[in-house]
Amino acid sequence: EVHLVESGGGFVQPGGSLRLSCAASGFIFSNYAMTWVRQAPGKGLEWVSSISGGSASSYYADSVRGRFTISRDNSKNTLHLQMNSLGVEDTAVYYCAKGGYDNGFDPWGQGTLVTVSS
Amino acid sequence: EIVLTQSPATLSLSPGERATLSCRASQGIANFLAWYQQKPGQAPRLLINDASNRATGIPARFSGSGSGTDFTLTISSLEPEDSAVYYCQHRGNWPRTFGRGTKVEI
Repeated sequence: EVHLVESGGGFVQPGGSLRLSCAASGFIFSNYAMTWVRQAPGKGLEWVSSISGGSASSYYADSVRGRFTISRDNSKNTLHLQMNSLGVEDTAVYYCAKGGYDNGFDPWGQGTLVTVSS
Repeated sequence: EIVLTQSPATLSLSPGERATLSCRASQGIANFLAWYQQKPGQAPRLLINDASNRATGIPARFSGSGSGTDFTLTISSLEPEDSAVYYCQHRGNWPRTFGRGTKVEI
């Protein structure tokens, strides 16, 4: 069974940084693209970033390009999202999901909450 | 950026009724569209991939159709547990985008 577990969320002040992680199990991690999606409180879903299985390519939403960096460690079956220069608009639950290049996002982790506030 | 417009915003129906949800893309995306279900406090779940392919474990009452710019998610006979917000999402190009969602109330 595929299992994704996010961690690293928390409270940070504007301008601060945070690194999210997503531990994957139940599938050959390096064979699949991975994706981050976020959801602000009471709002809809926003795609953030995707990375290919071998890290050869990655893509970002305009709202985070230049501030966020997606990466993966295939030896540890782990996906990361380094978030810098955080603003209040980045407050959201961040989900990792399997896929995103050739198919839909399936499955999703349970999410980790990032709160940016002074 | 491809904009996905979902309608209606809210759908209020009774158990056993048929639900028809629409998703319109601002430009053609072939069949590169997915549908997700999200219940309160839960992560989204993939229902439909590539416009019409049910994901693993999804009940047969959920079906998807469409191509190009107009897509439909149909729930043939609503069950109480189908109360949720439904999102469409494309993979026609980058950036990926989601629609704003349709809330189904039963």
